[in-house]
Amino acid sequence: DTAVSQTPKYLVTQMGNDKSIKCEQNLGHDTMYWYKQDSKKFLKIMFSYNNKELIINETVPNRFSPKSPDKAHLNLHINSLELGDSAVYFCASRATGELFFGEGSRLTVL
Amino acid sequence: QKEVEQNSGPLSVPEGAIASLNCTYSDRGSQSFFWYRQYSGKSPELIMFIYSNGDKEDGRFTAQLNKASQYVSLLIRDSQPSDSATYLCAQGANSKLTFGKGITLSVRP
Repeated sequence: DTAVSQTPKYLVTQMGNDKSIKCEQNLGHDTMYWYKQDSKKFLKIMFSYNNKELIINETVPNRFSPKSPDKAHLNLHINSLELGDSAVYFCASRATGELFFGEGSRLTVL
Repeated sequence: QKEVEQNSGPLSVPEGAIASLNCTYSDRGSQSFFWYRQYSGKSPELIMFIYSNGDKEDGRFTAQLNKASQYVSLLIRDSQPSDSATYLCAQGANSKLTFGKGITLSVRP
């Protein structure tokens, strides 16, 4: 069983479109995250939810909207996609120690 | 701005050598430090975590933490070609893990 799973793994879309990425964890963790990794491998935190409540919101454009329907799920919706949004988006979950990452969703905006 | 700095590399060592990876951090309130390894096209995976000053050993890996000097390092002994990857240092504070930019290690056979 995959501990943190994301779908889809690949998205290719045109500028201006809207897309969503879904994430689910079966580890029983209370806290989930979205990270963005650019082409230079820099992994930057975007959002964090603890038991469905938003606790971290870094300076991310409001075109990005996370949603956590329950503590096992954290989705990311992106409106009006721009070229600079091309990256790998990682979902992660955490109890108190390490982060457990999903496999990543590679978004390419053309 | 709480930052984690890593020498961006790349670092190249011969097989069997010791690879030394270093990281400095700015947040004195950080309580936990992590080293992740990321193979190309894969997700980061935890190698070591360390909370206390001093050394922590796990197999060929040793993490070293010096809170006074605000640095954390990772030593890889008897480096293998399979150790070739990007290594990410992270500091943990207040529910957040902040990552450095990573350093790419190449182990030459």
